[in-house]
Amino acid sequence: EPEVTQTPSHQVTQMGQEVILRCVPISNHLYFYWYRQILGQKVEFLVSFYNNEISEKSEIFDDQFSVERPDGSNFTLKIRSTKLEDSAMYFCASSVRVTNTEAFFGQGTRLTVV
Amino acid sequence: KQEVTQIPAALSVPEGENLVLNCSFTDSAIYNLQWFRQDPGKGLTSLLLIQSSQREQTSGRLNASLDKSSGRSTLYIAASQPGDSATYLCAVPSGGYQKVTFGTGTKLQVIP
Repeated sequence: EPEVTQTPSHQVTQMGQEVILRCVPISNHLYFYWYRQILGQKVEFLVSFYNNEISEKSEIFDDQFSVERPDGSNFTLKIRSTKLEDSAMYFCASSVRVTNTEAFFGQGTRLTVV
Repeated sequence: KQEVTQIPAALSVPEGENLVLNCSFTDSAIYNLQWFRQDPGKGLTSLLLIQSSQREQTSGRLNASLDKSSGRSTLYIAASQPGDSATYLCAVPSGGYQKVTFGTGTKLQVIP
């Protein structure tokens, strides 16, 4: 069964460093998303991406975040200068369409900023 | 702004019991609602997607209902098993088509 794949599963980084989280969405999906979940809190929407551009983003997704689809398969989330409060589980998701369609989530990347 | 609440926050039941998890949302102008399962430290597994035009959706021992007008959805789990132990999340579209708001989750423990 097709699945969304995320790498790495766990990343530890020092405060101020740049990190890139990687995702391979399901191959025929057109819409891509990043969410995050701080430990013990709700899953929060970060950004959606379609046709090689951001289509919607939340107030959390500030200038230190960026997303990219560098090739036909990968979808990345870059955090330029990590802060302690960026420590969270980051989930990638994809869907075929934007409405009335299931979103499929990856297993997440646990980011720990020290 | 869409707010999604799930009750109860935690639930512990003996194996074999039928149970109901509740989800309520403040903005009823939704086109679907999705239920997820999350195991500790793991990702989100989609369980059911229920369209706004549907009242119910079933998958195996799971049945989800949706009442848009009252802003409520329920997830019914029949004959619960220890393997059902997980956190269950509901999620609804919020504002734009692509932003989804998640509920607070119900942590379920099924005791053998």
